[in-house]
Amino acid sequence: GAVVSQHPSWVICKSGTSVKIECRSLDFQATTMFWYRQFPKQSLMLMATSNEGSKATYEQGVEKDKFLINHASLTLSTLTVTSAHPEDSSFYICSASAVGGGGTDTQYFGPGTRLTVL
Amino acid sequence: KQEVTQIPAALSVPEGENLVLNCSFTDSAIYNLQWFRQDPGKGLTSLLLIQSSQREQTSGRLNASLDKSSGRSTLYIAASQPGDSATYLCAVSGNDYKLSFGAGTTVTVRA
Repeated sequence: GAVVSQHPSWVICKSGTSVKIECRSLDFQATTMFWYRQFPKQSLMLMATSNEGSKATYEQGVEKDKFLINHASLTLSTLTVTSAHPEDSSFYICSASAVGGGGTDTQYFGPGTRLTVL
Repeated sequence: KQEVTQIPAALSVPEGENLVLNCSFTDSAIYNLQWFRQDPGKGLTSLLLIQSSQREQTSGRLNASLDKSSGRSTLYIAASQPGDSATYLCAVSGNDYKLSFGAGTTVTVRA
């Protein structure tokens, strides 16, 4: 149980285009989803926290107009990288939590999406 | 702001040797601590979760200890195997329910 999927697993796009990444909780309802990015040989950095039906909360330094997050249902959250540039190339990972997020509840992680912007 | 440090950054051992991975964090007010495994280009696999009230957790060859007051956790992997080669990440959960990750320890087990 507690499986999280991401689609696509990898994507290559041209500079200036937008890319949408989906994160789905397959067998549970996720009230909270988290989006992380990971640069090579570095740790995961939290970008934003999204709760179903409300606006995402972005971490300091993350541009909310560039990284659009939508959490329209209890099983789906999307991250759209708008007007992507080469510096946005990274590994994006989502996680989902069933109740409240973190705390004593486990975050279940997706397999990640490798974004390469040419 | 919570800072998580993992030492060493990389570790190479012969098969059969025990592994000791260290994690330290600056703010002891945590809810839990988790150890994850990450294979190259892949997502995270949760290995062990230790609640703040617990001292250790065990799963098979893995044992993780937590000393919240000193801000330290140690992951022990007994009798290492080549399949244990991966990056191991430590993460702590704070009262805001967010996870703060260390940079990881990359382990290579030589056959």
